[in-house]
Amino acid sequence: QVQLVQSGAEVAKPGASVKVSCKASGYTFTSYDINWVRQATGQGPEWMGWMNPNSGNSGYAQKFQGRVTMTSNTSMSTAYMELSSLRSEDTAVYYCARRRSGIPFDSWGQGTLVTVSS
Amino acid sequence: DIQMTQSPSTLSASVGDRVTITCRASQSIVGWLAWYQQKPGKAPNLLISKASNLESGVPSRFSGSGSGTEFTLTISGLQPDDFATYYCQQYNSSPLTFGGGTKVEIK
Repeated sequence: QVQLVQSGAEVAKPGASVKVSCKASGYTFTSYDINWVRQATGQGPEWMGWMNPNSGNSGYAQKFQGRVTMTSNTSMSTAYMELSSLRSEDTAVYYCARRRSGIPFDSWGQGTLVTVSS
Repeated sequence: DIQMTQSPSTLSASVGDRVTITCRASQSIVGWLAWYQQKPGKAPNLLISKASNLESGVPSRFSGSGSGTEFTLTISGLQPDDFATYYCQQYNSSPLTFGGGTKVEIK
């Protein structure tokens, strides 16, 4: 079955960076985009961007442009999301989710809590 | 950006009730709308795609309708497992955006 398994919780200081991983199994990794969505406590989900493991292309929400980088290692079927210049407002659960054209997010990772605190 | 507005934000209902959640888009998204269910501490789970297509394994008491800018999710015969928060999401254009959510509570 399709599974997306994310790395564990992170605590980071303001101004630092964090890198979250998302390991895919149960499907052909290069056939779907990996998207990243975050959700602060009590808030709705917020889409951050996507990357295509086959082409390496990516696209980011304007809010995160310049601070986020989405990459992948196809040999390990793993996607990564790095967020830099962290601030307290970045404290949230970060999810990876797979998607392809015409289809919404049909499989999600379990989420990674990122806490930004001095 | 396309704004997605859900109503109500909270809904109190009893087991067996029929409930309807509305989602409005700030501009036409044709039928590119998804509905998700989320339970505390879990990732959202896709229920419906393309406004009305029920995902495999989702009970038939869930249904979706609408097109353009107005959409609804209906649960016919609420079950104990259905008490959760529901989100709509448009995937017509980037940035992909979600509604603010509707929490379905036990009355």
